Amino acid sequence: AQTVTQSQPEMSVQEAETVTLSCTYDTSENNYYLFWYKQPPSRQMILVIRQEAYKQQNATENRFSVNFQKAAKSFSLKISDSQLGDTAMYFCAFMKHVNPGNTPLVFGKGTRLSVIA
Amino acid sequence: NAGVTQTPKFQVLKTGQSMTLQCAQDMNHNSMYWYRQDPGMGLRLIYYSASEGTTDKGEVPNGYNVSRLNKREFSLRLESAAPSQTSVYFCASSEGRLKGWYAGELFFGEGSRLTVL
Repeated sequence: AQTVTQSQPEMSVQEAETVTLSCTYDTSENNYYLFWYKQPPSRQMILVIRQEAYKQQNATENRFSVNFQKAAKSFSLKISDSQLGDTAMYFCAFMKHVNPGNTPLVFGKGTRLSVIA
Repeated sequence: NAGVTQTPKFQVLKTGQSMTLQCAQDMNHNSMYWYRQDPGMGLRLIYYSASEGTTDKGEVPNGYNVSRLNKREFSLRLESAAPSQTSVYFCASSEGRLKGWYAGELFFGEGSRLTVL
C-alpha cells in the first residue's frame, strides 16, 4: 500500500517570502501521479499542482513549483512571493497509474501554512 | 458550474440514528469517492466507485454503506451512527479514464460536517 508523509504539521512564512513544504511517499509503483491540494478556511479542496512521475521536469504553476525527486520519493512544494491568501492546509497526495481508469488519491496528513503580514 | 454537490452541509445525529449523505456531479465523470477528514489525520478514503455499477472499500469502510445510483450520484449511508463517525465528509469525482497520460484530478464537493452525539 502507498503511504504519504508530511513531516511538518505547521509552518509559517512572512508575506512575500518563499516557503517549502515537504512530502515523501512510499510506493513500489513506477508509474504514478503526485498532487498538492490546498484547503483554505472555507474547507474547499483546490488543486494546486500535479506531477506525472514519468516526467523529469518539475511542474510549475505561477508562484507554485515542485521539487520532484523520484529516486528519493520526495515531492516538495515551493511557494514563492507568499500571499495572505495562501494561508491554508496543504495536502500532498499520491495516485497510482492504471489503465484504464483511476485509483483513489492517498493523502498525507497535511501541513497548516500561515502567511503572516 | 455546479461541479460536485453534497447535501446536507451540516447534520447532527444521536447515536444509533441513520442518515444518508447525498452527492451528485454534473461533469460526466466516471469515478466517485467518499472521504472523511479528521483533525491531524488528513483525508481517508471510505468507499469509491471507479465506474457506474461498481463500488469498492477504501481505508475506513466500517460503519458505512454506499450506493452508486447512476453515473451522476453516489450516496453514503450511516446505518447506526456512532460518535467516532463525527467528521467532515467529502465527496469527489474524477474523469476516471485515461486520455494519454492524463490521470484526471479529483474535484471535491464543499464537505458535510456531521456530528454524532
